[in-house]
Amino acid sequence: RKEVEQDPGPFNVPEGATVAFNCTYSNSASQSFFWYRQDCRKEPKLLMSVYSSGNEDGRFTAQLNRASQYISLLIRDSKLSDSATYLCVVNRAAGNKLTFGGGTRVLVKP
Amino acid sequence: DVKVTQSSRYLVKRTGEKVFLECVQDMDHENMFWYRQDPGLGLRLIYFSYDVKMKEKGDIPEGYSVSREKKERFSLILESASTNQTSMYLCASSFRQRGYTFGSGTRLTVV
Repeated sequence: RKEVEQDPGPFNVPEGATVAFNCTYSNSASQSFFWYRQDCRKEPKLLMSVYSSGNEDGRFTAQLNRASQYISLLIRDSKLSDSATYLCVVNRAAGNKLTFGGGTRVLVKP
Repeated sequence: DVKVTQSSRYLVKRTGEKVFLECVQDMDHENMFWYRQDPGLGLRLIYFSYDVKMKEKGDIPEGYSVSREKKERFSLILESASTNQTSMYLCASSFRQRGYTFGSGTRLTVV
């Protein structure tokens, strides 16, 4: 089983709609969680950290469910510029190493 | 903003050549990492370093070595490049357990 698993998509989303997707992780000792965004042929960029209580940043909402070992990302009022691959990232129990999921591709269409 | 700079955006090297990929960060981060990214395989950790002159193997260290002589610089070395090392190489740095900042990547082709 992979340490971090994501649905690769693509999720085809009409502009203005809401899209949500999850990521599961296998190491129950993981402490830190992040969502990164990666545009085609570019480096990943930190979108947001994920906190136990859930957190929101504008149109983006991240949730953590420790009992079921998954995190989620919800995008409201999708924009064309939200088209990207979203990487779920989890720290390993020891040290500062992060494990990346394979990414979920989101395509927002007019 | 933290800046992580990778010396080359694109590189083409021949099989058997020794290849150096350089990465420099400007925010005094202790942690530095080298990943490669391949379609269908995602990002895989090659080596990392928590301090000067310190290095640890990641998940796929075979065929690679690293050097960290100064805190701001972390070099990845392909001792004898092979075609299966054709990939996108990404350097990252971080402060403690915060998220990473990545460089813009080096797309290496080994022919």
